[in-house]
Amino acid sequence: GAGVSQSPSNKVTEKGKDVELRCDPISGHTALYWYRQRLGQGLEFLIYFQGNSAPDKSGLPSDRFSAERTGESVSTLTIQRTQQEDSAVYLCASSLVAGETDTQYFGPGTRLTVL
Amino acid sequence: GNSVTQMEGPVTLSEEAFLTINCTYTATGYPSLFWYVQYPGEGLQLLLKATKADDKGSNKGFEATYRKETTSFHLEKGSVQVSDSAVYFCALKNFNKFYFGSGTKLNVKP
Repeated sequence: GAGVSQSPSNKVTEKGKDVELRCDPISGHTALYWYRQRLGQGLEFLIYFQGNSAPDKSGLPSDRFSAERTGESVSTLTIQRTQQEDSAVYLCASSLVAGETDTQYFGPGTRLTVL
Repeated sequence: GNSVTQMEGPVTLSEEAFLTINCTYTATGYPSLFWYVQYPGEGLQLLLKATKADDKGSNKGFEATYRKETTSFHLEKGSVQVSDSAVYFCALKNFNKFYFGSGTKLNVKP
């Protein structure tokens, strides 16, 4: 596709509910990254995929967070039993490969609000 | 460990003023360094990057030089415009993970 897309753009949910966030990377990009950006703060790395594998899951904040990727394309980030501190903008980025110098292209983000 | 520290904002300048946004980093190994920009209402986009010591990244009149001796990657522009108003993020990439600073908001007044 022309760019990285994410859906939904906004999600409001009640505490304790599960949410699923979707990312469609640029076609042909093998690496995909998820970040969290809390209000007024920088980006917090969550997880990255090379192909369909996630070599490093150390950034996931808790076991309520999980992510998967299929077909070296779309990825979903799932947050179970959401808490108010999960409220943030969740950003997805993709790059051609997960090389040291490769450039990331960011999606517009999903703004998650947990009431 | 790996981390990025950048100057707190907001930074307010008049049009045509000189801009410096400081960024320092700690890292193991040999990271690549980046500046990303987020214009109001838009997503993050790459502004410039440098992949090794003494490299200079440049784009749209902005420059930053990878200084290993001072572990810095300060962003500069000789003459800012109102359209440069945005949030600027310094970042490093090391072992396929990105580490971002907290962002510096720049306001340029006409």
